[in-house]
Amino acid sequence: DIQMTQSPSTLSASVGDRVTITCRASHNVNNWLAWYQQKPGKAPKLLIYKASNLESGVPSRFSGSGSGTEFTLTISSLQPDDFATYYCQQYDSFSPTFGGGTEVESK
Amino acid sequence: EVQLVQSGAEVKKPGESLKISCKASGYSFSSYWIGWVRQMPGKGPEWMGIIFPGDSDTRYSPSFQGQVTISADKSISTAYLQWSSLKASDTAMYYCARHSSGWDQAPFDVWGQGTVVTV
Repeated sequence: DIQMTQSPSTLSASVGDRVTITCRASHNVNNWLAWYQQKPGKAPKLLIYKASNLESGVPSRFSGSGSGTEFTLTISSLQPDDFATYYCQQYDSFSPTFGGGTEVESK
Repeated sequence: EVQLVQSGAEVKKPGESLKISCKASGYSFSSYWIGWVRQMPGKGPEWMGIIFPGDSDTRYSPSFQGQVTISADKSISTAYLQWSSLKASDTAMYYCARHSSGWDQAPFDVWGQGTVVTV
């Protein structure tokens, strides 16, 4: 399996902050990389696909970048609704895998 | 509206069998891969496997191969996840989710509400 490592595991931030989350893959995933947001008790929600493509309906303050084995999710100006846990997922291999998550909490 | 509605919470004993369901609506069920994701308490999601209802082509994660069975009934637009003999370690939230395209290489763009299984 391709291992996905996210950092940090927890991030403390304030409304209006620029937030960056990193995801590293153990092997090249050829940009087949997605980002999800999950709130407590809810299913994950797709934000970004193919590393940098914004899913329809997702606010433009979310953006994704990177290639190969290193990727980032950036929230340009954190909003109250953005406090949540974020997961990356590679879907390059026959057995997709998720990262361990980054919880964005209020400072 | 594209929607996946899962069956309700289950409480079972070790060794029992179980089949949970995921009913799709609002799109052509036969044309998109649909999969299952496990999330244990306080942990990240784990991709279990996917099925293409059009021809029942099924792929499993090596971690779940032989442990569960994924199936689909396209006549009623419903996917299933089943266990023949549950273990305490199967206690988790299980989500069904649809691939964003007809490819087998795609993220999940529509998710069910989740089914809690307690063993």
